[in-house]
Amino acid sequence: QVQLQESGPGLVKPSETLSLTCTVSGGSISPHYWSWIRQPAGKGLEWIGRIYASGSTSYNPSLKSRVTMSVDTSKNQFSLKLSSVTAADTAVYYCARESNGGVIVVWGQGTLVTVSS
Amino acid sequence: EIVLTQSPGTLSLSPGERATLSCRASQSVNSNYLAWFQQKPGQAPRLLIYGASSRATGVPDRFSGSGSGTDFTLTISRLEPEDFAVYYCQQYGSSPWTFGQGTKVEIK
Repeated sequence: QVQLQESGPGLVKPSETLSLTCTVSGGSISPHYWSWIRQPAGKGLEWIGRIYASGSTSYNPSLKSRVTMSVDTSKNQFSLKLSSVTAADTAVYYCARESNGGVIVVWGQGTLVTVSS
Repeated sequence: EIVLTQSPGTLSLSPGERATLSCRASQSVNSNYLAWFQQKPGQAPRLLIYGASSRATGVPDRFSGSGSGTDFTLTISRLEPEDFAVYYCQQYGSSPWTFGQGTKVEIK
């Protein structure tokens, strides 16, 4: 059974870059699509973007100018960087795996990132 | 982008009752690529339905999805205590993937 685990700083200063890594266990990072999704406290879900095992990406236009995703197949990990963060970026960040059809089938447990000085 | 509007915002029902949740899209969802997720407090969402009407592995058959185009429905035939949660619809037919704002099913 594939499991995902997010890791990274829980506190980021305004204007700095948020960096998270998702480690995949119980399966290979290839040949799947991997997504990042976030959820502010008490609010709904927002899709940030996805990356294929080959490295091709698709980002939400609302965040595209600040988002970079990458994949490291040797470590079975993929990563998210979000630059120039503000308090509005405070949220639980989830990594997830998609099925061949694009369905989000596996979720990590989520990690809370707070943007504050 | 496709905007998904869920209704009602909150549904107050008793165990054993039927729950009907609606998800309306601002434009047609390609290939009916519409999923439903259940989320309980402090947990990640859980996939219930994909392709508008296909149940995910391990999902009880009291959960059913229907609809096409722009109008979709999640039905819970008889609410069990563990079904009280927030439900989100999500479309994955057109990038960016988008989610509805959620429907909370609470105990009456």
